[in-house]
Amino acid sequence: EAGVAQSPRYKIIEKRQSVAFWCNPISGHATLYWYQQILGQGPKLLIQFQNNGVVDDSQLPKDRFSAERLKGVDSTLKIQPAKLEDSAVYLCASSLTGPNQPQHFGDGTRLSIL
Amino acid sequence: QQQVKQSPQSLIVQKGGISIINCAYENTAFDYFPWYQQFPGKGPALLIAIRPDVSEKKEGRFTISFNKSAKQFSLHIMDSQPGDSATYFCAARAGQKLVFGQGTRLTINP
Repeated sequence: EAGVAQSPRYKIIEKRQSVAFWCNPISGHATLYWYQQILGQGPKLLIQFQNNGVVDDSQLPKDRFSAERLKGVDSTLKIQPAKLEDSAVYLCASSLTGPNQPQHFGDGTRLSIL
Repeated sequence: QQQVKQSPQSLIVQKGGISIINCAYENTAFDYFPWYQQFPGKGPALLIAIRPDVSEKKEGRFTISFNKSAKQFSLHIMDSQPGDSATYFCAARAGQKLVFGQGTRLTINP
């Protein structure tokens, strides 16, 4: 079974620029998550999708972050404009629907803001 | 209330020893407690998980101990090996939301 695919692996941009990350979940996984992992901390949920609908975006900084999952499969996360504090690894995860289904993580995109 | 507190931040254990990582929570709505292992440059991978109606779960060298009354749970790695060197995260789930601890960087000395 192919895992969660993310691209790019690394991205370096200057503050106030925009950036986008892409995620392809495991086939058949209806639930998709985006996490932010700052160096030395645990992942923090940014947004959760069930198919193409948003389940939880309470911790997404909506003034600069946006995410979509138009066809209920692939997803993109965008930051515009980026701030220095956005430097982090952005992880995508997916799971089957249902209680206690394990989340499977991709290897993330490491974002550095100069 | 949504926090999961994890300790220690870092841990060094000799090969063959027992590694112990502890986590505590406050929110009684948490009903599922997984542990994740993360290697540098990789995403977290599910290691083992427990539900609060069970006090202990063992899978190979990995054991979760769960104390519901104290709202604490711990990961024990028996016969620790250099290949176990990684960062370990405890987590807790309420509804569909997973809350992670701060992580423990484990180093196993050969």
